[in-house]
Amino acid sequence: DADVTQTPRNRITKTGKRIMLECSQTKGHDRMYWYRQDPGLGLRLIYYSFDVKDINKGEISDGYSVSRQAQAKFSLSLESAIPNQTALYFCATSDLDSPGELFFGEGSRLTVL
Amino acid sequence: KNEVEQSPQNLTAQEGEFITINCSYSVGISALHWLQQHPGGGIVSLFMLSSGKKKHGRLIATINIQEKHSSLHITASHPRDSAVYICAVRLVTGGGADGLTFGKGTHLIIQP
Repeated sequence: DADVTQTPRNRITKTGKRIMLECSQTKGHDRMYWYRQDPGLGLRLIYYSFDVKDINKGEISDGYSVSRQAQAKFSLSLESAIPNQTALYFCATSDLDSPGELFFGEGSRLTVL
Repeated sequence: KNEVEQSPQNLTAQEGEFITINCSYSVGISALHWLQQHPGGGIVSLFMLSSGKKKHGRLIATINIQEKHSSLHITASHPRDSAVYICAVRLVTGGGADGLTFGKGTHLIIQP
């Protein structure tokens, strides 16, 4: 089983719908991140959390929210999806003692029509 | 601004060829990462290095801090090496909250 699991892996939705992407990890890491990947662009940080109840905005947080329900779970929500949020989303974790190395999930491909 | 530049953007080669992917950056860094993203999306960390050279199997990563440049080499390339290779730098100052700035990736195709 993967150490970092994302669900759903693929989702097609309509403009205005609320969408939640979930991430769970078995690595026991404190730090969790949500990234967005668009064709021709590098990964961009949406939100990050260094502990339960710790939530911080990243580079492109507008239109998104997150919840860190437990050390192992970090959810990303799109309250009212719009077409330019169509992208590949990645969850990642890192260890407090070795913050350099990131462990990524398999990605969630979201299409907003 | 684009603090991390990768070249080439796309590379197609024949099986067995020696592959080199380059990464240049413009600011001071504390570490550099090479990541691999296979078709289907998953991203795997290949190397994290702050000086010198690291080797894992057929993959070799080097970094020259003075020249602000890193290379990823693949020896005896194989079709299963086909993937997007991403360079990311951990900036000494600034950068995202995770301190990382990502390149746009190099799309490598190895033909049988």
